[in-house]
Amino acid sequence: EPEVTQTPSHQVTQMGQEVILRCVPISNHLYFYWYRQILGQKVEFLVSFYNNEISEKSEIFDDQFSVERPDGSNFTLKIRSTKLEDSAMYFCASSESTRNTIYFGEGSWLTVV
Amino acid sequence: AQRVTQPEKLLSVFKGAPVELKCNYSYSGSPELFWYVQYSRQRLQLLLRHISRESIKGFTADLNKGETSFHLKKPFAQEEDSAMYYCALSGQAGTALIFGKGTTLSVSS
Repeated sequence: EPEVTQTPSHQVTQMGQEVILRCVPISNHLYFYWYRQILGQKVEFLVSFYNNEISEKSEIFDDQFSVERPDGSNFTLKIRSTKLEDSAMYFCASSESTRNTIYFGEGSWLTVV
Repeated sequence: AQRVTQPEKLLSVFKGAPVELKCNYSYSGSPELFWYVQYSRQRLQLLLRHISRESIKGFTADLNKGETSFHLKKPFAQEEDSAMYYCALSGQAGTALIFGKGTTLSVSS
């Protein structure tokens, strides 16, 4: 069964550094998402992406964050200058449409020190 | 504003006991409701969605618009049901999933 894959599974970075989290969505899916989960808290929506542009974003997704689909397969989340509070599990997800099931990757655990 | 509330952080039951994981939502229109499950060290995966009206792994959930609830039920819990369960909502306009805080279900023998 096709899966959403994410790399890296775990990254430790120093505060102020840029981080890029990578995702390969399921190949026939058109909608892509990033969610995050701070330890002990709920899964929070960050951004959705369709047709090479952001379709929706939350208030968490400020100017420090950006998303990109640099080629036909990858979907990336960039955090420009990481802060301690960015430490979280970041989940990538994809779906065929906004009304279809959303499939999640295994997550990338980001630790900012 | 959209909101999903799961009032219980942890629910502990014995094997064979009935389970009900509570979920209430706030949304002005007609939402689509989901239950996602996350087993230990695994990814979030869809358990069921209200429009399909399926029973998956013995779990069912009925959307009660009057009470704005979508509680997840199973008549006889199994140890392998132990996991984190998230209720989620998607607005009719196709907005992204909004999750509740999750409930950890622990089933012991």
